[in-house]
Amino acid sequence: GQNIDQPTEMTATEGAIVQINCTYQTSGFNGLFWYQQHAGEAPTFLSYNVLDGLEEKGRFSSFLSRSKGYSYLLLKELQMKDSASYLCASSTGGGNKLTFGTGTQLKVEL
Amino acid sequence: DAGVIQSPRHEVTEMGQEVTLRCKPISGHDYLFWYRQTMMRGLELLIYFNNNVPIDDSGMPEDRFSAKMPNASFSTLKIQPSEPRDSAVYFCASSSSTRGRTQYFGPGTRLLVL
Repeated sequence: GQNIDQPTEMTATEGAIVQINCTYQTSGFNGLFWYQQHAGEAPTFLSYNVLDGLEEKGRFSSFLSRSKGYSYLLLKELQMKDSASYLCASSTGGGNKLTFGTGTQLKVEL
Repeated sequence: DAGVIQSPRHEVTEMGQEVTLRCKPISGHDYLFWYRQTMMRGLELLIYFNNNVPIDDSGMPEDRFSAKMPNASFSTLKIQPSEPRDSAVYFCASSSSTRGRTQYFGPGTRLLVL
């Protein structure tokens, strides 16, 4: 079976750093995706981790530990436009079938 | 390049009516996914296709739901008969097995069944 856990809500201040954690229990795991979803819009791709370690992409970084079933998304220099839901998804199978967590609603305040 | 295209963007219908949602994947992508998103259950995979062939339909809620992919550039998700509990946002996504496998989502269809 598949199980993804992430916090429901987080609040952070503009200009700060925030870390969104995700734990997973997935059989046949082959990678971990992070998506961003603004209210009323479609999810958009942020990052994909296959190997252990940190992947950095501008203000956003994502980390994976396969042995611990753990990932996090790190957002630096927060901006108001970063207020959105952040979805963690585990990938399985040859077709990269995704199982999504319920999402973490991030609110960035002044 | 055009992204994933879905139609209609909004659909309001009455219980018992047939609903057909349409999707055009990104050209060259060989995987197509149908998802449903609700506040209660989040984003759920309904079915996915590879090279127009259904691979996994274990997420399809019941026989009222059916999906087809007659060619590489078109897929439909049909609900017949529709029920109020089918009200949700339905997303289509596509990916390429040779270009990173990232799934790209369409804008979604907001379905309201009265």
